[in-house]
Amino acid sequence: RKEVEQDPGPFNVPEGATVAFNCTYSNSASQSFFWYRQDCRKEPKLLMSVYSSGNEDGRFTAQLNRASQYISLLIRDSKLSDSATYLCVVLSDRGSTLGRLYFGRGTQLTVWP
Amino acid sequence: DTAVSQTPKYLVTQMGNDKSIKCEQNLGHDTMYWYKQDSKKFLKIMFSYNNKELIINETVPNRFSPKSPDKAHLNLHINSLELGDSAVYFCASSQVVLAGDQETQYFGPGTRLLVL
Repeated sequence: RKEVEQDPGPFNVPEGATVAFNCTYSNSASQSFFWYRQDCRKEPKLLMSVYSSGNEDGRFTAQLNRASQYISLLIRDSKLSDSATYLCVVLSDRGSTLGRLYFGRGTQLTVWP
Repeated sequence: DTAVSQTPKYLVTQMGNDKSIKCEQNLGHDTMYWYKQDSKKFLKIMFSYNNKELIINETVPNRFSPKSPDKAHLNLHINSLELGDSAVYFCASSQVVLAGDQETQYFGPGTRLLVL
């Protein structure tokens, strides 16, 4: 079983739509959670961290449910520039002193005009 | 003022050759990583170095050998390249963290390796 599971999509939505991505993780001892964004043929970049109480950054809202080991990302009022692959990322330590990131396969989003 | 840089950006080579990819970061971070992103876009860690010391070594063939001459550089040498090594290789860096801390990893632009 993969550490992080995501629906790969693709999601194709019109501008202005609201879209939600989900992700589950297998290690209940995971400490930190993130959403990264990867544009086509580019490197991943941090979009936002995910906090236990949920957090918002402009049009983006992230939620964490530790009991269900579930993470979500909600994008409101989608823009063309939101088209990218969204990677769910989990930090686990696996017994070492240095945490390591586990990446989901990513969910592809295309926003059309 | 690129934060994490990699060279080369593209690498096309024959099976059986030996090649190296270089990575440098100017962020002053203590920890550097190599990731492989395969054709299915799955990004997986290969190695991690903290202050020139190997910390993480995932199940990677020993044809892959990382080398960190100093904490700002982490190079990846690959011997006897195989078709299955074709992928995008990303270098990344972060400030050293203990397990449980939040951390942001900064990625290089990637090296697209194609083995023919």
